[in-house]
Amino acid sequence: QKEVEQDPGPLSVPEGAIVSLNCTYSNSAFQYFMWYRQYSRKGPELLMYTYSSGNKEDGRFTAQVDKSSKYISLFIRDSQPSDSATYLCAMDQGAQKLVFGQGTRLTINP
Amino acid sequence: DTAVSQTPKYLVTQMGNDKSIKCEQNLGHDTMYWYKQDSKKFLKIMFSYNNKELIINETVPNRFSPKSPDKAHLNLHINSLELGDSAVYFCASSQDLDRWTIQYFGAGTRLSVL
Repeated sequence: QKEVEQDPGPLSVPEGAIVSLNCTYSNSAFQYFMWYRQYSRKGPELLMYTYSSGNKEDGRFTAQVDKSSKYISLFIRDSQPSDSATYLCAMDQGAQKLVFGQGTRLTINP
Repeated sequence: DTAVSQTPKYLVTQMGNDKSIKCEQNLGHDTMYWYKQDSKKFLKIMFSYNNKELIINETVPNRFSPKSPDKAHLNLHINSLELGDSAVYFCASSQDLDRWTIQYFGAGTRLSVL
């Protein structure tokens, strides 16, 4: 079993929809949870950063962490075509290493 | 003004050749990383340096040798390239080891070994 599981998609939704992206993980020691956005042929860009459980909101983006279920989510409200990208979850593996999910490829259709 | 820049963006080469990828960051960060992203998009750490000192050295063939001439630069040299080395290689940086969870990535170097 991989440490971090993420459905690679692809996921296609109409503009304006609410998008839900998820990752599950197996290591209960993870404390830091990140979401990166990666546009085609570009490097990952940090989108959201959460420590421990709870919610964090930034504009149209909300990150949720449920440590009891080992489950994290990223919600995108009022999705825009410019949100079309691959979204990668990442967690602290310890020893200053990040472990990444496979990434979910998202397309927002105008 | 690019924060983390890598050169070249694309690299096509024959098996058995030796090649280098360069990375520079102008963020004033202390810590730099090399990642490999395979065809299935899995992103995995290879190396990290902090102030020119090697911190992380994952299970990577010793054909891969990183070099950090100063804390703003981290280069990756690959000897005797193999087909399986084809991937996108990303450089990243973080402010320091305390803030290592927040990393800034370059645009990547797409390596194709023929």
